[in-house]
Amino acid sequence: DAKTTQPPSMDCAEGRAANLPCNHSTISGNEYVYWYRQIHSQGPQYIIHGLKNNETNEMASLIITEDRKSSTLILPHATLRDTAVYYCIDCTASKLTFGTGTRLQVTL
Amino acid sequence: GAVVSQHPSRVICKSGTSVKIECRSLDFQATTMFWYRQFPKQSLMLMATSNEGSKATYEQGVEKDKFLINHASLTLSTLTVTSAHPEDSSFYICSASDPGTSGSWKTQYFGPGTRLLVL
Repeated sequence: DAKTTQPPSMDCAEGRAANLPCNHSTISGNEYVYWYRQIHSQGPQYIIHGLKNNETNEMASLIITEDRKSSTLILPHATLRDTAVYYCIDCTASKLTFGTGTRLQVTL
Repeated sequence: GAVVSQHPSRVICKSGTSVKIECRSLDFQATTMFWYRQFPKQSLMLMATSNEGSKATYEQGVEKDKFLINHASLTLSTLTVTSAHPEDSSFYICSASDPGTSGSWKTQYFGPGTRLLVL
């Protein structure tokens, strides 16, 4: 079973920042937090990953709390094309265990 | 970024026949590839982990004789669904680990998926 918990759905207005939370309270010290998203009928797309420092790339920012029990994925300016299911995953034994994710709906 | 392709993207077959799905890493060599399955409105479920040149490791409940995996090169893994039945109809997705990723965990990049329909 997935060891992360995420809200099942969120809405975001186009152009606004989308902040997607994730709880991973049982994460161990050497496990990375990975974020992927899946647009309908496609394979998952890698977004970002981190261990304990905040990370930023061209797609998103990842904010990890100091105790590493939770994190937030930030899409700074959401567009309609960001509508997808977003998965927060902590990696165990080189495996990705997908939970149910957060369905983000970006609206006009 | 790393690119993974799958072929075919969609396949329809008759019950009892076998279907082969190819997964290729296009711009990197992948020592490890993974095969997932996703049923409608459900999340991805890992089926097996495939290491180049060795036997695949199957997840609990996945029949290794039904889902044959071959990883003969660093850029190609194949999944063969043998004697397919309607309940095998699903979205099959592969991923490949990019050894160039920094850190102890190698980022997985996913293919676009193959939709299998068994009649």
